[in-house]
Amino acid sequence: NAGVTQTPKFRVLKTGQSMTLLCAQDMNHEYMYWYRQDPGMGLRLIHYSVGEGTTAKGEVPDGYNVSRLKKQNFLLGLESAAPSQTSVYFCASSYGQVGGAGNIQYFGAGTRLSVL
Amino acid sequence: RKEVEQDPGPFNVPEGATVAFNCTYSNSASQSFFWYRQDCRKEPKLLMSVYSSGNEDGRFTAQLNRASQYISLLIRDSKLSDSATYLCVVNISGNNRLAFGKGNQVVVIP
Repeated sequence: NAGVTQTPKFRVLKTGQSMTLLCAQDMNHEYMYWYRQDPGMGLRLIHYSVGEGTTAKGEVPDGYNVSRLKKQNFLLGLESAAPSQTSVYFCASSYGQVGGAGNIQYFGAGTRLSVL
Repeated sequence: RKEVEQDPGPFNVPEGATVAFNCTYSNSASQSFFWYRQDCRKEPKLLMSVYSSGNEDGRFTAQLNRASQYISLLIRDSKLSDSATYLCVVNISGNNRLAFGKGNQVVVIP
């Protein structure tokens, strides 16, 4: 059982380049999330989705876009990468909504992104 | 006040000893509380949910104090494999998201 799979695992970008991070889950979860984790800070929510075809902004959405065309996939895009976006990115999914039953989040292994 | 606050440590614990730490949260309407474990350069994984009555899972005990708005985690008979960062996680009521603390780093020393 793969759970939550993120690709790529590592990436180095130059300022201004674009890229897409892919998250795939095989648990039939409705809810999916993208977080970033920086040294000395807790995980911060970038965007999330409550179902196929829906997306919503989290705490730190600027500079990122997302799409959820299929239930099992959640894509995070950086249109014009900046050094401030150097971080570790985690995708997560859950069966139910935050605060409700089934709201335990399962995380992917992360993507380490450096923007030079 | 930050949504979730934890003392990052590190907490250096002799093998076999007991260690405990607290996490405070600011949103009095929060309903869901969790402890996640994160190993170095790995993803967070659920350690345990925290219930109002407190709960225990083997050597781990979690407590919730709503009046003072904190949750706690106690690890008994520490093992070397317990070395990790323990993240306090709280739902933000009225907002469909979880707030993560910076984590308590635990280092178990032989």
